[in-house]
Amino acid sequence: EAEVAQSPRYKITEKSQAVAFWCDPISGHATLYWYRQILGQGPELLVQFQDESVVDDSQLPKDRFSAERLKGVDSTLKIQPAELGDSAMYLCASSLNREETQYFGPGTRLLVL
Amino acid sequence: GDSVTQMEGPVTLSEEAFLTINCTYTATGYPSLFWYVQYPGEGLQLLLKATKADDKGSNKGFEATYRKETTSFHLEKGSVQVSDSAVYFCALRDSSYKLIFGSGTRLLVRP
Repeated sequence: EAEVAQSPRYKITEKSQAVAFWCDPISGHATLYWYRQILGQGPELLVQFQDESVVDDSQLPKDRFSAERLKGVDSTLKIQPAELGDSAMYLCASSLNREETQYFGPGTRLLVL
Repeated sequence: GDSVTQMEGPVTLSEEAFLTINCTYTATGYPSLFWYVQYPGEGLQLLLKATKADDKGSNKGFEATYRKETTSFHLEKGSVQVSDSAVYFCALRDSSYKLIFGSGTRLLVRP
């Protein structure tokens, strides 16, 4: 069964450092999402891509976060500089198109010290 | 804006007990509704979904019915197992196609 891949699974960094997360969606899925899940809460959308285009980044803190999906396949989410409050699980999801069910990857757990 | 409210946990049950986790929503229009499950240290797995009023989603013994009149999508299972211990998230898909999640309900099933 096809799955969404994410790496790394865990990342520890110091505040003010740069971090990057990678996501490979299910093959053929045009829509890709990045969510942030703070401990004890539900995930919240950071950015949504349709192919290589951003369709919703209204909740992305653009002063420090950036996301790209250059060839419309895999995607990278970057934080620079990281802050203590960025400690969370970062989840990637994909769907065949915007109207279809979203499938999640295993997530990257970030700890900022 | 759209929102989802879940009952607070943890919910602690003995094996083979009946499970209900309440979920209500506020939304414009008639969104699709979902239940996702998250096991420790893992991502979210789709458990079931319903796309219109009166639809019943079901999977692995879990069921939920889309109730428009009460804006609810309660999760039920007739007989829980220890392996069902996890965090359960109710979610709706809004008009911009993003998922809006509740805060999650932790379920602990004791042998």
